[in-house]
Amino acid sequence: QKEVEQDPGPLSVPEGAIVSLNCTYSNSAFQYFMWYRQYSRKGPELLMYTYSSGNKEDGRFTAQVDKSSKYISLFIRDSQPSDSATYLCAMSGVWGTYKYIFGTGTRLKVLA
Amino acid sequence: SQTIHQWPATLVQPVGSPLSLECTVEGTSNPNLYWYRQAAGRGLQLLFYSVGIGQISSEVPQNLSASRPQDRQFILSSKKLLLSDSGFYLCAWSVQTSGLGTQYFGPGTRLLVL
Repeated sequence: QKEVEQDPGPLSVPEGAIVSLNCTYSNSAFQYFMWYRQYSRKGPELLMYTYSSGNKEDGRFTAQVDKSSKYISLFIRDSQPSDSATYLCAMSGVWGTYKYIFGTGTRLKVLA
Repeated sequence: SQTIHQWPATLVQPVGSPLSLECTVEGTSNPNLYWYRQAAGRGLQLLFYSVGIGQISSEVPQNLSASRPQDRQFILSSKKLLLSDSGFYLCAWSVQTSGLGTQYFGPGTRLLVL
């Protein structure tokens, strides 16, 4: 079993839709949960991060962490064509290790 | 604010040639530094990480090596490139706290080995 599972997509939605992106993980020791946006041929850009469980909102983006279910989500409200990118989830915080574990990414297309 | 630079942006090299990719970070001290490779349509593969000058940990046995000659400089090298070394190479940094907190990426180097 992979440490982090993420549906690769592609996910196509019309402009203005609410988008839900998800990752599941197996290691209950993870403490930090991150979402990155990666445009084609660019480096990943940090969008949101959450420490432990709970919700965090930033503009049109909301990150949710449910540690009991080992499930994290990123919601995008009022999606725009400029949101079309690959979204990577990442986790870290296992004490004594310096590694970050990444999902394989979900490709999102927002259609105008 | 912190900035991370990588160069070159794109590189085309013949099989068997050497490689040197450079990464530098500005605006922070004593960061953790990372090299990843991202193959087309695949996730990020951690190659090396460093928690200090001269301290390199290798994650994947291969013909690549890494060095950290200065606090904010990280170099990825190879003596002889293989076709399988083609990919998108990303450098990243994080705060020096045992892998806690967030990680920030550079713009990447696209390497094509022919």
